Amino acid sequence: KNEVEQSPQNLTAQEGEFITINCSYSVGISALHWLQQHPGGGIVSLFMLSSGKKKHGRLIATINIQEKHSSLHITASHPRDSAVYICAVKLYAGGTSYGKLTFGQGTILTVHP
Amino acid sequence: GAVVSQHPSRVICKSGTSVKIECRSLDFQATTMFWYRQFPKKSLMLMATSNEGSKATYEQGVEKDKFLINHASLTLSTLTVTSAHPEDSSFYICSARPGLAVNNEQFFGPGTRLTVL
Repeated sequence: KNEVEQSPQNLTAQEGEFITINCSYSVGISALHWLQQHPGGGIVSLFMLSSGKKKHGRLIATINIQEKHSSLHITASHPRDSAVYICAVKLYAGGTSYGKLTFGQGTILTVHP
Repeated sequence: GAVVSQHPSRVICKSGTSVKIECRSLDFQATTMFWYRQFPKKSLMLMATSNEGSKATYEQGVEKDKFLINHASLTLSTLTVTSAHPEDSSFYICSARPGLAVNNEQFFGPGTRLTVL
């Protein structure tokens, strides 16, 4: 079982729909990242969070440390939101925060006009 | 957010040649840089962690003599794929982390697509 699991793996939506992508992890973490990757392109960091909720434009990220779960929400989705969304965590164990990221497998989002 | 650049964005080379990929942090100093490899439709795989002025730490299974990493300054790290073979064809992505705290945010480069003929 992967340490970081995302769901769904594929998501298709109509323009304007509210979208939720989920990330669950099984290890202690010090921070969680949500990343966006367009086809053939580099990676953009959307959020880094360790508690609560963050909002940027139409994007909202939440994390529940006790439940080891995070969600990425996109409101009023648009075709330009079509991309792969990746959840990545920084492991934390035994009082030590490690610098390396562990990645989920990604969620492929397609938003149709 | 902070900007990380990579050069070249695409490179095609013949089998047996060496290829150098540069990763630069443009508006911050990066004590630590990370090199990742991504296969089609797969997530990122960490190859090595590079700290300025010291030897890189390679992940298990990554050949250090094959993938040479140099982090000679706080804004530049290079990855050299030596004696490249077709199986080295991949998308290589670097990321950079400012400062010394391991919890600082990482910023990613746009990636370099390597094709070895």
